[in-house]
Amino acid sequence: QKEVEQNSGPLSVPEGAIASLNCTYSDRGSQSFFWYRQYSGKSPELIMFIYSNGDKEDGRFTAQLNKASQYVSLLIRDSQPSDSATYLCAVNDAGNNRKLIWGLGTSLAVNP
Amino acid sequence: KAGVTQTPRYLIKTRGQQVTLSCSPISGHRSVSWYQQTPGQGLQFLFEYFSETQRNKGNFPGRFSGRQFSNSRSEMNVSTLELGDSALYLCASSSQRGAGTGELFFGEGSRLTVL
Repeated sequence: QKEVEQNSGPLSVPEGAIASLNCTYSDRGSQSFFWYRQYSGKSPELIMFIYSNGDKEDGRFTAQLNKASQYVSLLIRDSQPSDSATYLCAVNDAGNNRKLIWGLGTSLAVNP
Repeated sequence: KAGVTQTPRYLIKTRGQQVTLSCSPISGHRSVSWYQQTPGQGLQFLFEYFSETQRNKGNFPGRFSGRQFSNSRSEMNVSTLELGDSALYLCASSSQRGAGTGELFFGEGSRLTVL
């Protein structure tokens, strides 16, 4: 059973701090990694994707990938209350690229 | 550019009934995927359609079915509803063939309550 695991949280950080969200995956052959944000009552939206080992930065967001450790993380710098949401990690199924394997999500609360 | 449109947004059914949900993808997107989201199970993949053909299917019973039309609009049907079918049903479109290759754009979802 291929799995993506995330700490369900809630992860609580003060405004302006760095929020660190982590995700581990079981499918060693996975090549594509996605972070989606889902506000309460809304649908998921893609905020970051990463394909290569290392870091990828986009504004306040940084995705980090370590394929050897099967670990992907999302860092949010200068966290804002508007970042409060559930963050979903998704990984492509190496055996079937038509599918994504989803984590259950980490709930993030940024306190003013 | 219009987003993914799902109808109806909310619906209430009773056990044993059937339901049809509709999804209109972003113009030009040919891939449509359907997901079931519940608090305990998260996002569960139902199926994906590309160019009117089901390309992949998740681990759901045969009561769950779908189709895609030539204009890429898609419908999913759930027959003989059970209480456990209560969930948010999300449709996602993609310009890429295969959800694992690109960005998914989600609709607002259809929230189904089965009584």
